Amino acid sequence: AQSVTQPDIHITVSEGASLELRCNYSYGATPYLFWYVQSPGQGLQLLLKYFSGDTLVQGIKGFEAEFKRSQSSFNLRKPSVHWSDAAEYFCAVVNDYKLSFGAGTTVTVRA
Amino acid sequence: SAVISQKPSRDICQRGTSLTIQCQVDSQVTMMFWYRQQPGQSLTLIATANQGSEATYESGFVIDKFPISRPNLTFSTLTVSNMSPEDSSIYLCSVDGQGVGNTEAFFGQGTRLTVV
Repeated sequence: AQSVTQPDIHITVSEGASLELRCNYSYGATPYLFWYVQSPGQGLQLLLKYFSGDTLVQGIKGFEAEFKRSQSSFNLRKPSVHWSDAAEYFCAVVNDYKLSFGAGTTVTVRA
Repeated sequence: SAVISQKPSRDICQRGTSLTIQCQVDSQVTMMFWYRQQPGQSLTLIATANQGSEATYESGFVIDKFPISRPNLTFSTLTVSNMSPEDSSIYLCSVDGQGVGNTEAFFGQGTRLTVV
């Protein structure tokens, strides 16, 4: 079964600095991969997704992610973070029509 | 996209009681999913609910504890039965937005449950 791992539990970044969140997926056929964001007290919002094709995926709120089959990774990036990006970020993979989520990475943005 | 309304948004319940959470979608969807997010944890799938059939539960979750109804293509309920403090979590409803597997999932705002 497909699964994802998020190695970083917590990341602190300065406002205006770049951000990269790591996500590794388990071996298998081309996965369907997602990044979701959960702001405090909110539900989950889809940032972007990858099914096939172009390995660099653009999402909402200025986020992008790159699918690298050689590294089994789907890392999320943002060139310049805003204070409103402070949230919990989840990588997810479709596993037999169901979503399996990583443990999540908490992002703290300092002024 | 799909807009999902969950009720209640939060509740504080006594142990031993039950709470029913409602999930309403603004369009017809094939699959609806219920997740649990324990404090500081990721999301864990409880069950998949299809209209007209019994819900399919994931390992570790049973129908007696988490009965689910799916009376039509826009509505579902999850009941948390005989609650204990360990059931304190956020419960989220999710729908399959494209009708072909969970290739794009939309989530409700969640129900924050505290059991005392």
